[in-house]
Amino acid sequence: LAKTTQPISMDSYEGQEVNITCSHNNIATNDYITWYQQFPSQGPRFIIQGYKTKVTNEVASLFIPADRKSSTLSLPRVSLSDTAVYYCLVGDAVRNSGYALNFGKGTSLLVTP
Amino acid sequence: GAVVSQHPSRVICKSGTSVKIECRSLDFQATTMFWYRQFPKQSLMLMATSNEGSKATYEQGVEKDKFLINHASLTLSTLTVTSAHPEDSSFYICSASKGDMEKLFFGSGTQLSVL
Repeated sequence: LAKTTQPISMDSYEGQEVNITCSHNNIATNDYITWYQQFPSQGPRFIIQGYKTKVTNEVASLFIPADRKSSTLSLPRVSLSDTAVYYCLVGDAVRNSGYALNFGKGTSLLVTP
Repeated sequence: GAVVSQHPSRVICKSGTSVKIECRSLDFQATTMFWYRQFPKQSLMLMATSNEGSKATYEQGVEKDKFLINHASLTLSTLTVTSAHPEDSSFYICSASKGDMEKLFFGSGTQLSVL
């Protein structure tokens, strides 16, 4: 499975846009990119998933360049409740080998007033 | 959306006892479920992959006789921590896959404290 690298932590003020970039240089052709959010003492929650270009849902946007060696999770106008750890996972869907199962260290986002 | 229910949310037990944690997919059939453990301020570590009707696949370093996994139906997987010791105290999280999608649905986790 592709290894991912993310910043350990980020700080932001309320109302700002936050962009978290994840590097996955050895991503394979069949790998999808998935982002999860985790609050303390809770299980992770799916945020967004993409394969290439841009994906947007009601929560976030995911930007993936043509080479797919990185991806950026964009959270528009963050609030205090967005303070959490964000994980980027890369996995193989076609081989059905467990998808993206290996969580890296994640990015701890702190949003302050 | 898909809901994964995990019980109990918190358990305290004495050293040497066994603890069972249940993971249920409430509105979908999960052919595959995954068990993780997470220590404070650390990331999730995959323990095992559980497939309905077959033996679980354990990650390297995870004792299969210590962490018994049973996936008897398409909606239920259980993790039993046998002869628990204080070092087994951790946050255990299950997740399930619908099979045709790459994203995982997670339970709310179980905080195990062994005295």
